[in-house]
Amino acid sequence: AQSVAQPEDQVNVAEGNPLTVKCTYSVSGNPYLFWYVQYPNRGLQFLLKYITGDNLVKGSYGFEAEFNKSQTSFHLKKPSALVSDSALYFCAVRGPGAGSYQLTFGKGTKLSVIP
Amino acid sequence: DTAVSQTPKYLVTQMGNDKSIKCEQNLGHDTMYWYKQDSKKFLKIMFSYNNKELIINETVPNRFSPKSPDKAHLNLHINSLELGDSAVYFCASSQGLRPSTDTQYFGPGTRLTVL
Repeated sequence: AQSVAQPEDQVNVAEGNPLTVKCTYSVSGNPYLFWYVQYPNRGLQFLLKYITGDNLVKGSYGFEAEFNKSQTSFHLKKPSALVSDSALYFCAVRGPGAGSYQLTFGKGTKLSVIP
Repeated sequence: DTAVSQTPKYLVTQMGNDKSIKCEQNLGHDTMYWYKQDSKKFLKIMFSYNNKELIINETVPNRFSPKSPDKAHLNLHINSLELGDSAVYFCASSQGLRPSTDTQYFGPGTRLTVL
């Protein structure tokens, strides 16, 4: 079974500082990995995904994520945090193969950017 | 020009009632999903349809029944509502199921409160 762990319930960072939101995964075979963001009372918005190729994936709003196969991690990063980045961030994984349609989400990490 | 829309946005009802939530996407996608987000923000897939065919049917009570009249719509009908059904229900769609087309786009959610 596939799973995702987001070890931090909450991450606090000062505006202008770099931010990292952690994610590790477990899946059979090569993973497909996603990051989504949820603003209060809104649906999830797609940020970025890793399928194959370059381990550093760039996404929306200046976010990027680094795929590390040996550590089974896919941490989300941004060089300089904005107050408007404050939201709930979800990592998700699906497995390879035609039958692996299901996206499994982590429990989410609340990011607070302090002015 | 909303991509994935849900109605209603809020639904407050009594235990034992039957209710429906509607979802429509105007993206021309082939695949649609229903998720449940509980009070702890945990997100879990319930159902998925691809080209009007049910492909994911997670372990949910059979009081929940999805219906896809066409590829642009996936409705969720809930019979005999219980207190534990209170949650936010999200609809999502993706172009397809292959890794290159499986990015999911979410609706704004329907907050269901069962009294």
